[in-house]
Amino acid sequence: EVQLVESGGGLVKPGGSLRLSCAASGFTFSNAWMSWVRQAPGKGLEWVGRIKSKTDGGTTDYAAPVKGRFTISRDGSKNTLYLQMNSLKTEDTAVYYCTTEATMMNYYYMDVWGKGTTVTVSS
Amino acid sequence: DIQMTQSPSSLSASVGDRVTITCRASQSISSYLNWYQQKPGKAPKLLIYAASSLQSGVPSRFSGSGSGTDFTLTISSLQPEDFATYYCQQSYSTFITFGQGTRLEIK
Repeated sequence: EVQLVESGGGLVKPGGSLRLSCAASGFTFSNAWMSWVRQAPGKGLEWVGRIKSKTDGGTTDYAAPVKGRFTISRDGSKNTLYLQMNSLKTEDTAVYYCTTEATMMNYYYMDVWGKGTTVTVSS
Repeated sequence: DIQMTQSPSSLSASVGDRVTITCRASQSISSYLNWYQQKPGKAPKLLIYAASSLQSGVPSRFSGSGSGTDFTLTISSLQPEDFATYYCQQSYSTFITFGQGTRLEIK
């Protein structure tokens, strides 16, 4: 069964740091593009960033609100995706979802989602 | 960034109704448009990719159409389990953006 399980959420003060993890199983993690998507309380979905597969260069892209503060990485030996969040702001409070970014004939879409982990930034 | 605008923001309908949700992109995105369904407290679920391709396992009452800047998601006959929030998302740009969502409620 294809599965993504996020962990690492919690309460952190503004300016603090947190690292989220996403454990992947049931598919070839090393070949997958992976993204993080967040959802603030009562709000819509917001893409945070992605990391491509190693074969596609392993490069990262970030949304403007998090660029320079958040870092996405992956550990193929552990089948785990990470989101390192630094200099956290209250507006980073959200449920954070890990997703796969699948492709079919150059069309990309998020076909597998984890259940999410909640990050609360508050003093 | 490419802006995605959905209409309406909310919609009331009855079981058995035909429902259409619209998504407009701020620039042409060809067919790089996906639709997701989200129920309260749950992760989003992919319904449609590449504007009109039905994801495996999704009921055939869901369909998508459009290209360029204007897209639609149609539910041909609403079922009780379809009451949820729907999001469009563009994958044309490196920087993914979502519509603001359309909340579909029971009339």
